[in-house]
Amino acid sequence: GENVEQHPSTLSVQEGDSAVIKCTYSDSASNYFPWYKQELGKRPQLIIDIRSNVGEKKDQRIAVTLNKTAKHFSLHITETQPEDSAVYFCAASSSYIPTFGRGTSLIVHP
Amino acid sequence: GAVVSQHPSWVICKSGTSVKIECRSLDFQATTMFWYRQFPKQSLMLMATSNEGSKATYEQGVEKDKFLINHASLTLSTLTVTSAHPEDSSFYICSAPISSGRVAEQYFGPGTRLTVT
Repeated sequence: GENVEQHPSTLSVQEGDSAVIKCTYSDSASNYFPWYKQELGKRPQLIIDIRSNVGEKKDQRIAVTLNKTAKHFSLHITETQPEDSAVYFCAASSSYIPTFGRGTSLIVHP
Repeated sequence: GAVVSQHPSWVICKSGTSVKIECRSLDFQATTMFWYRQFPKQSLMLMATSNEGSKATYEQGVEKDKFLINHASLTLSTLTVTSAHPEDSSFYICSAPISSGRVAEQYFGPGTRLTVT
């Protein structure tokens, strides 16, 4: 089955800095890579996703890149704000069932 | 956008009792729903896939007789934790997929916090 590794587990940045979270996956058949933001005690919320036929996607301060050959994808957040503080999960799927990474706790210090 | 609800949002029960959690897709039909368990500071762990009109598919290590899943309609799946014990205390989240081409986007419920005393 699919195996998704996510790093780092914790990321602490100053407000205004950029944050990068990286994930690798094992199943070359995976074709959908969503990223979720989860605040404490709340549901995961989709913030951006990318499909295997695209190498990069951007939405305002958030961007995701995908390298299919190397089987890794990354989340980039620019101009971080305190409200970006949360746990971020990457996921990979080749069917309807995503496999999640372990999560990254992002802390943005004002 | 698609909305998935869960009820209750939190529940406290005594050890040995059973608890039912409902997951509803409010504005779309879901022939498949997923149930996850999330322990503090950990990722979402898939417990089972709920299939409308048929038996659920459980992940390895998940006891099907302990976590009963029923998907009786296209908008409702229920998870019953039977004979709950303190180690079953966790955050339970459901999701329902909506296909978009060859992929499916997951829509998550708000989660249910279960505490077993």
